[in-house]
Amino acid sequence: DIQMTQSPSSLSASVGDRVTITCRASQGIRNDLAWYQQKPGKAPKRLIYVASSLQSGVPSRFSGSGSGAEFTLTISSLQPEDFATYYCLQHNSYPLTFGGGTKVEIK
Amino acid sequence: EVQLVESGGGLVQPGGSLRLSCAASGLTFSDHYMDWVRQAPGKGLEWVGRVRKRSNSYTTEYAASVKGRFTISRDDSQNSLYLQMNSLKTEDTAVYFCARVSHTEGYSFDFWGQGTMVTVSS
Repeated sequence: DIQMTQSPSSLSASVGDRVTITCRASQGIRNDLAWYQQKPGKAPKRLIYVASSLQSGVPSRFSGSGSGAEFTLTISSLQPEDFATYYCLQHNSYPLTFGGGTKVEIK
Repeated sequence: EVQLVESGGGLVQPGGSLRLSCAASGLTFSDHYMDWVRQAPGKGLEWVGRVRKRSNSYTTEYAASVKGRFTISRDDSQNSLYLQMNSLKTEDTAVYFCARVSHTEGYSFDFWGQGTMVTVSS
């Protein structure tokens, strides 16, 4: 199975900060990676697909990069509505696996 | 508008069975692979399994943790997805989401249902 190591597991940031979250795959997964945002009690929402493509309707302050085994999600200027938990998902091989999540909290 | 609505969750004893349903609307259901993902209380997301579409013979994939106990099926005529869960364990307690697999923007989940809670407890 491909392990997805996501870091940090939590972070504290202020509105306007630049935030970077990393996912490392235990083996190469090409660009078969997506990023999700989840708020309490809600379903996850896709932000980025195929590592760097922005989901329609998602603000441009979100961006994704990487290929192979290392990926990043960047929020260029954190907004109040961005406080949530973020997950990466690899869909290169079965079983599909998620990163452990990054909880972004208000500083 | 794409809508996925899960139902069938509830309280069940260990060793029991439960069948979840996911009703889809606003999409060409038969064109898409469909998956189940779960989330234990206070924990992260865990992929449960997938059913492919008719042209792929409705074949399935499962996580090791549920293989042999859970069965995913679909009825394209009813735009519905199912998860039959047998031999339930306490560790199966979770919110279960159905999710559509995009086939044009990478094979990840582009739409999710709101989830249904399954509690396995005596």
